[in-house]
Amino acid sequence: GQNIDQPTEMTATEGAIVQINCTYQTSGFNGLFWYQQHAGEAPTFLSYNVLDGLEEKGRFSSFLSRSKGYSYLLLKELQMKDSASYLCAVLTTDSWGKFQFGAGTQVVVTP
Amino acid sequence: SAVISQKPSRDICQRGTSLTIQCQVDSQVTMMFWYRQQPGQSLTLIATANQGSEATYESGFVIDKFPISRPNLTFSTLTVSNMSPEDSSIYLCSVVLETYEQYFGPGTRLTVT
Repeated sequence: GQNIDQPTEMTATEGAIVQINCTYQTSGFNGLFWYQQHAGEAPTFLSYNVLDGLEEKGRFSSFLSRSKGYSYLLLKELQMKDSASYLCAVLTTDSWGKFQFGAGTQVVVTP
Repeated sequence: SAVISQKPSRDICQRGTSLTIQCQVDSQVTMMFWYRQQPGQSLTLIATANQGSEATYESGFVIDKFPISRPNLTFSTLTVSNMSPEDSSIYLCSVVLETYEQYFGPGTRLTVT
């Protein structure tokens, strides 16, 4: 079957670092993507990995291990505006452009 | 990048009626999709909107319930037919560029009473 797992919620303090893990088992793999979704808004693209390793984009980094079916999103120097849901999504090989999404991790940043 | 608009942004509809949601993209894009997101849950793909041919539906979604039009590369509509309270959800259209970047519209919040 197809499955994408990520924690439901994480809480961290402003200025700290939070790591959101994502494990996946999908029918084919063309890349792993991370999205940020604020309450009441549409998801916005953050980062993606196609090959193993770390991709850094400012305060956000994403890591992928294809052999382990594992990824994480690292958020550094947390700011209050980072409070949001973070969605892990796999680009499958079923058909071009088709994504399968995890349930999302709600990150709460406290002062 | 791509900028997507959706209309209406929200609506409250009666059971048994239908609602058509419009999605407009600011550039020509081949791959366009319709998703549903129920409160507190993740995104579920409804269908791929194909230009010039019938949409490709995911398991659990059928054309009679969710007819989709895609007359050109910048526009699509999704109709939610014969609505029931279980159809209350946020409906989002998205496009995927050749770089695999995916952009979403702002969503249509539907409440069925």
